[in-house]
Amino acid sequence: IAGITQAPTSQILAAGRRMTLRCTQDMRHNAMYWYRQDLGLGLRLIHYSNTAGTTGKGEVPDGYSVSRANTDDFPLTLASAVPSQTSVYFCASSDGPDTGELFFGEGSRLTVL
Amino acid sequence: GQNIDQPTEMTATEGAIVQINCTYQTSGFNGLFWYQQHAGEAPTFLSYNVLDGLEEKGRFSSFLSRSKGYSYLLLKELQMKDSASYLCAVRDSNYQLIWGAGTKLIIKP
Repeated sequence: IAGITQAPTSQILAAGRRMTLRCTQDMRHNAMYWYRQDLGLGLRLIHYSNTAGTTGKGEVPDGYSVSRANTDDFPLTLASAVPSQTSVYFCASSDGPDTGELFFGEGSRLTVL
Repeated sequence: GQNIDQPTEMTATEGAIVQINCTYQTSGFNGLFWYQQHAGEAPTFLSYNVLDGLEEKGRFSSFLSRSKGYSYLLLKELQMKDSASYLCAVRDSNYQLIWGAGTKLIIKP
């Protein structure tokens, strides 16, 4: 059982470049999330989707966009990367926005130079 | 504003017991979660509390007092593999999770 798969695992990116982090889940969960994790800070929500076809902004959405064309996929795009977007990005899913625990992918470590 | 406080780092001895505290101030409350995160890995679910009291799951227990905005995670019979960060998170009135910065637990032989 794969759960949640993220790609790439790690990436070094030049500032100004466009980058898409991929996330796929096989649990048929309705809700999906993108978080960033930085040293000394709690996980911060970037964007979320409560169900396919809908998305919402989290705590730190600026510079990021998402789409949810189907249940399984929830890609995160950085339109023009900046060094402050250097972070570890986690995709997560849950049965619903108000039920159950979150299941996390293994993370994508992104470095923007 | 919303805030979750937990100690930055704790040290304990193999075989002992350790209690990791979490205090919170959030807009509403719809449950509190504890997650474990080993270095370089994804967080994994440990426990969930929505009512006051103690939830026990093997060597791990979690306690909640909603009136005090307080929870703790109790780890018994510590093993070296318990060395990890422990994350406290509260689901607020909008059903968004607010996360603490995590407590790094170091286990010494």
